Amino acid sequence: EDKVVQSPLSLVVHEGDTVTLNCSYEVTNFRSLLWYKQEKKAPTFLFMLTSSGIEKKSGRLSSILDKKELFSILNITATQTGDSAVYLCAGPNAGGTSYGKLTFGQGTILTVHP
Amino acid sequence: NAGVMQNPRHLVRRRGQEARLRCSPMKGHSHVYWYRQLPEEGLKFMVYLQKENIIDESGMPKERFSAEFPKEGPSILRIQQVVRGDSAAYFCASSPRGDTGELFFGEGSRLTVL
Repeated sequence: EDKVVQSPLSLVVHEGDTVTLNCSYEVTNFRSLLWYKQEKKAPTFLFMLTSSGIEKKSGRLSSILDKKELFSILNITATQTGDSAVYLCAGPNAGGTSYGKLTFGQGTILTVHP
Repeated sequence: NAGVMQNPRHLVRRRGQEARLRCSPMKGHSHVYWYRQLPEEGLKFMVYLQKENIIDESGMPKERFSAEFPKEGPSILRIQQVVRGDSAAYFCASSPRGDTGELFFGEGSRLTVL
């Protein structure tokens, strides 16, 4: 059974801090790893990673994948209160019917104080 | 282009009643996924549909739950004879293709069973 484990489960920082969120995964037939951000409503897509060692970047957020160690990190620099959310890591299920059939981790709750 | 629309946003049912949750995917998206988020748990895949076809319902309980995505109209997740354990947030997501984990989520329907 596919498994996605995130750490830490929660994190409290102050504005301006840099945070690193972790995701380890055990999936058969790796295809990709995804990060989503969930505020109090719909999860929104952040990154999709398919290749080891290639950093994906969007503003203050960046992510990288290590396929050998089955590990990914999400970095947020110069955090702002608007970054407060649950960050979800996911991978396509080995069931194979669709890449959209995702196994999600339990999420990291990030709280950024002013 | 409107996002994924779900309704109702909140639904209260008594035990034994039926719940119907609707999802209109983004324009041009023919792949629809339903996920359930129980309190204090991560998102769990339920069912994957394309127009008029159920492709994968491996995450859906075999009894009381059904889903459809007719040729015309929204996708519907139906829960018959609801029980307290069905209380959860039900998220719909859509995608233009089945070969990507980049999904567009609706804001969810929160079902409360009294």
